Amino acid sequence: DADVTQTPRNRITKTGKRIMLECSQTKGHDRMYWYRQDPGLGLRLIYYSFDVKDINKGEISDGYSVSRQAQAKFSLSLESAIPNQTALYFCATEAGGRSDTQYFGPGTRLTVL
Amino acid sequence: GEDVEQSLFLSVREGDSSVINCTYTDSSSTYLYWYKQEPGAGLQLLTYIFSNMDMKQDQRLTVLLNKKDKHLSLRIADTQTGDSAIYFCAESISSGGYNKLIFGAGTRLAVHP
Repeated sequence: DADVTQTPRNRITKTGKRIMLECSQTKGHDRMYWYRQDPGLGLRLIYYSFDVKDINKGEISDGYSVSRQAQAKFSLSLESAIPNQTALYFCATEAGGRSDTQYFGPGTRLTVL
Repeated sequence: GEDVEQSLFLSVREGDSSVINCTYTDSSSTYLYWYKQEPGAGLQLLTYIFSNMDMKQDQRLTVLLNKKDKHLSLRIADTQTGDSAIYFCAESISSGGYNKLIFGAGTRLAVHP
């Protein structure tokens, strides 16, 4: 079984709709991240969380919100989706402490029409 | 500033060696990573190197780090068709108490017979 899972894997929605992307992990890591990937731009950080009570904005947080419901769960919401939020979204986890390594989920492909 | 650059495309013949290059700008990076992304999949951690090392070898993979020139490379020996993927270089920078990953745009490796 995968250590980091994301649901849904694919989603098509319309402009103005509210969308939630879910991420779950079984690695027992404290730190979780949400990134978006656009062609030719690599990955950009949206939000990150060090534990259940800690939420921080990344470089492109506008138009997004997150919720850390438990150590193992970190969800990303688009309150009112717009077409330029069409992208591939990745969740990642990190143990924290002396470890820098992030482990990624399989991604969610979101299309906003 | 923080920037990671890679060439966007590399084509090699099956059985040859592939060398994917990356340059970065922030000299305070702690770790540098190579991730592999196969079509429709998430990012898979391939290997990483600590910033005080010059070289790391792991089976067919060799990572070279030139800190003076801020240049990182990934060499894949005996390249196979299964190595066809997008390869992302990333540097880890300590920022505000968390490990910020800066990604390059990715190099698409195409392996042909």
